Formats: sequence, C-alpha cells, structure tokens
Amino acid sequence: NAGVTQTPKFQVLKTGQSMTLQCAQDMNHNSMYWYRQDPGMGLRLIYYSASEGTTDKGEVPNGYNVSRLNKREFSLRLESAAPSQTSVYFCASSVTALNEKLFFGSGTQLSVL
Amino acid sequence: SQQGEEDPQALSIQEGENATMNCSYKTSINNLQWYRQNSGRGLVHLILIRSNEREKHSGRLRVTLDTSKKSSSLLITASRAADTASYFCATLPNLFFGTGTRLTVIP
Repeated sequence: NAGVTQTPKFQVLKTGQSMTLQCAQDMNHNSMYWYRQDPGMGLRLIYYSASEGTTDKGEVPNGYNVSRLNKREFSLRLESAAPSQTSVYFCASSVTALNEKLFFGSGTQLSVL
Repeated sequence: SQQGEEDPQALSIQEGENATMNCSYKTSINNLQWYRQNSGRGLVHLILIRSNEREKHSGRLRVTLDTSKKSSSLLITASRAADTASYFCATLPNLFFGTGTRLTVIP
C-alpha cells in the first residue's frame, strides 16, 4: 500500500503564480487534512475534510482553497502565491475525523520567490 | 496561537539513556497523540492516550496525561541512535500540533 501520496515533492513559484498540490490516499479513509510546517511553528492546519463532500477551515486558511474531489483525493490550491506561503505542506488522512490517528504523506516543499 | 508547546525544544542524550519530553496544551481534549518526524519526512504516529487515561505504554514508549494541568509527557527508555528525530504532540478533536522537541541520540 502506498498510503498517502503527495505530488509534487518540490516546487518553486514566483509571487502571483498559482498551483495545486495533489494528495491521494488508498486506505479508504473518510477524513483528509492539509497542514503547513514552518520552522519553529510546528504544524498548522489549513483545511480539512471530515468526509467526502465536506470541507472546513483550519487555523490558517487564508490564501488557500481546497477540493475534496472524491473519497481518495484532496487537493490544495494557491490562487496567487505569496512569499509567506513558502513552507512544507503535508497531507494527512484518518479513518474518521477528529479523534483518530493521522497518516501523513511525505510532504511538498514549496518556495515562493 | 492555540497550539501546544513541547519542552524542551531540543534534547541531546547518550545512547542508552532515557529521554523525556513534555507537552502542554490549552484547550479541552478527547485524546492526545504523539508523533515522530525524521528529517525531511512526514510524521509517523507513535501512541494515542485518551482523556480518561493517565498512563499508556507501547514498547519503549511511556506516555502520561494530566488533564488538570493540561500536560503530557513522552518517555523513551533505553534510547538508540535511530530514535534521533523530532517529536510532536497533537491534541484532538481540535487537531492542534505542538512545536516539537528535536531529540538527538549520540551513539
């Protein structure tokens, strides 16, 4: 089993460009999450999807949009990238929302110049 | 920020010693989890303790939870060089992660 797969692994953008980070899980999990990790800040929740068809804001949603395309896939979009969005982005999934252990992907390192 | 805080931020010990790291949080929780992150990798779940539990063991890991003090501790016994990683606590249902403890185990 691949678990949680994120693409791309690395990306460099110019300020104002847009891009979509892709995430897919093959564990038949209901819930999926997007986090960002900055040095000294730990992980901060951007958005999550408790189940297919639902999405909710996390702690730092500004500048991002998400789509729960189906049960397997949860994408994160930056419409107009800013240097403050330079970070490592992690996708995660869990069987159900909010009380189960999370399974993480290997991350996307994004630099916005 | 509503995140938890791990203490210490960094810890360096000799192989074979025990490592203790602490986590404090701010909100009511259903459970608290500990994760490990090797450099450049995603987080891996280690152990979960529910709010009605006070102590839990898993192999060389021992976790305690004090909900009255809103704190938890993770003890790794007989540490190994392979335990070198960052360790994070996470509180649910609010999905907040702490800032992490960077553990270095010297062979």
